[in-house]
Amino acid sequence: EDQVTQSPEALRLQEGESSSLNCSYTVSGLRGLFWYRQDPGKGPEFLFTLYSAGEEKEKERLKATLTKKESFLHITAPKPEDSATYLCAGEGYSGGGADGLTFGKGTHLIIQP
Amino acid sequence: ETGVTQSPTHLIKTRGQQVTLRCSSQSGHNTVSWYQQALGQGPQFIFQYYREEENGRGNFPPRFSGLQFPNYSSELNVNALELDDSALYLCASSLGRGARTGELFFGEGSRLTVL
Repeated sequence: EDQVTQSPEALRLQEGESSSLNCSYTVSGLRGLFWYRQDPGKGPEFLFTLYSAGEEKEKERLKATLTKKESFLHITAPKPEDSATYLCAGEGYSGGGADGLTFGKGTHLIIQP
Repeated sequence: ETGVTQSPTHLIKTRGQQVTLRCSSQSGHNTVSWYQQALGQGPQFIFQYYREEENGRGNFPPRFSGLQFPNYSSELNVNALELDDSALYLCASSLGRGARTGELFFGEGSRLTVL
């Protein structure tokens, strides 16, 4: 069974204090590893796709990296508007139709001014 | 370009009832997926529709069913509601098979409460 585990569950940082969120995955036939951001009461918003180990993607203060077993979301000099829940998801392929995304529970990030 | 819209935004049902949730996909997207998100959890895949046919299904019982229409909008139907069905139901649209299938555009969800 595919599994995605995120840590920590919650993280509180001061504005400007850089950190990393972790995503460990076990996904059969991994086709892609995805990061989403979810604000309270909203649907997830797509951030990044990573396809192979060693790949990196950047967007503003966020950088996502991928190894064979983990992905990291690095947040550099965060601002209060970066506060959200960050979800990691793997897309597998078992040989039939779509397997959908397997999501972790997310990391709830709070950036204090 | 219009985004993914879902209706209703909130609804309350009682155990044993049936519910229909609706979704309009983003312009140009022919694939719709439905996810269930319980409080404090990540979304769980229910099923996906591609060009009006079910293209994949997660670990949900048959009382969860769906439709996709020629304009690519979609419905999620849940029969014989149980208390554990209380959750946020998310619809997501994307481009078709083999084309960035994991890059999903989510609606804001329908919050279902079962009493």
